[in-house]
Amino acid sequence: AQRVTQPEKLLSVFKGAPVELKCNYSYSGSPELFWYVQYSRQRLQLLLRHISRESIKGFTADLNKGETSFHLKKPFAQEEDSAMYYCALLRGSTLGRLYFGRGTQLTVWP
Amino acid sequence: DAGVIQSPRHEVTEMGQEVTLRCKPISGHDYLFWYRQTMMRGLELLIYFNNNVPIDDSGMPEDRFSAKMPNASFSTLKIQPSEPRDSAVYFCASRYVAGELFFGEGSRLTVL
Repeated sequence: AQRVTQPEKLLSVFKGAPVELKCNYSYSGSPELFWYVQYSRQRLQLLLRHISRESIKGFTADLNKGETSFHLKKPFAQEEDSAMYYCALLRGSTLGRLYFGRGTQLTVWP
Repeated sequence: DAGVIQSPRHEVTEMGQEVTLRCKPISGHDYLFWYRQTMMRGLELLIYFNNNVPIDDSGMPEDRFSAKMPNASFSTLKIQPSEPRDSAVYFCASRYVAGELFFGEGSRLTVL
C-alpha cells in the first residue's frame, strides 16, 4: 500500500530562518512526488514536482529513495511562505489518483 | 481557461437538507477528483472519474454521498440527507493524463 506521511501538523519559524517540511512515503515502485501549497482561503496549487528539479519561490525538494523522503526546504523563510503544505505521491505506472499527506501548516513569524 | 470552477463557494444548510455541489473541470482534462478538507483529517479523496466513468469511490463516506459526471464538462457531488459532520471544504480537481492536479477554489459547506 502507498502512504504519505507528514509528521508535523504545525511548524513555526521566524523570518529569515531555514525551514524544512518533512515528507516520507511508502511505495515499492517508482513514485512521482509533489508538493502542493494552499495559501489562506485559496485553492491548492502545485509548488513543485521532483522530476522537474526546479526551485520555486526559493523552495527545493530532493527525492531520497533510500530514505523514502521528499522533504521541502528553504534556506530563508519569508512571511509570505505561511501556508498549508501538502506532500503528494503519484504511483509511477498508474495514471490515477494522487495520495496526499495530511499537510503541514507553516507559520513564519516576523 | 478559467480553471476548475466550483459552485457554490459557500453553502449553509440545515441538517437533513440535500446539498448539491457542482464542478466544471478544465477543458480537455480527462480525470476529475472530489476531495474533502477538514482540520481533523486533512485532504481526503472521495471519488475520482476517468473519462466520465467513476474509477474509485472507496473514499465516499457513506450512502448519503453520491457523485455523477454526466459529461466531460460537469460533475456533481450530492449529500442527502446532510449532517453537521459533513461540514467541510469540498474541492474538485482535474488533470490531463499524469502530473499536475488543478484545483477549484472549493465549496465551503456548513451544516447546522
